Amino acid sequence: GENVEQHPSTLSVQEGDSAVIKCTYSDSASNYFPWYKQELGKRPQLIIDIRSNVGEKKDQRIAVTLNKTAKHFSLHITETQPEDSAVYFCAASMRTDSWGKLQFGAGTQVVVTP
Amino acid sequence: DTEVTQTPKHLVMGMTNKKSLKCEQHMGHRAMYWYKQKAKKPPELMFVYSYEKLSINESVPSRFSPECPNSSLLNLHLHALQPEDSALYLCASSQEPEGKLYEQYFGPGTRLTVT
Repeated sequence: GENVEQHPSTLSVQEGDSAVIKCTYSDSASNYFPWYKQELGKRPQLIIDIRSNVGEKKDQRIAVTLNKTAKHFSLHITETQPEDSAVYFCAASMRTDSWGKLQFGAGTQVVVTP
Repeated sequence: DTEVTQTPKHLVMGMTNKKSLKCEQHMGHRAMYWYKQKAKKPPELMFVYSYEKLSINESVPSRFSPECPNSSLLNLHLHALQPEDSALYLCASSQEPEGKLYEQYFGPGTRLTVT
């Protein structure tokens, strides 16, 4: 089955700096890669996603890049703000007979200090 | 409106109790999911319903019993739970993918404590 590794597990950044979280996946047939942000006590919130036919996608201060050959994808947050502090999960779709399965990475705790 | 609602927000139950968690979405999504999330861990998939039929059961113990009464509602019936079942239970929904994969939207979760 699919295996997703996520690094780093914790990330401390100064407000205004950039943050980068990296994920690798094992199943070359995976074709959908969402990123979720989860604030303490809240639901996971889909913030951006990318499909395997696209190399990069951007939405204001966040961007995701995908390298299918290397089987890794990354989340980039620019000009970080205190409200970016949260746990971020990457995920990859599992290409099996059953659809809709997301394999999550272990998560990255991001702390933005003013 | 990308909203999934869940009730109750918090639930405390004894090991001999029977309770139910409820999830509702009005986005016309035809796939609904139950996840379990322990503290500082990612969500773990439990069940997937598509078109009101159970399509995935991730080898979940029978003390968890899902039900999908209609395309907008998803229930999780709980019976004879163990303390280690204490967790945040998340519901999610997505469109029917027709061979493609669509975004999953999560509800706020039910914080379950088994005493």
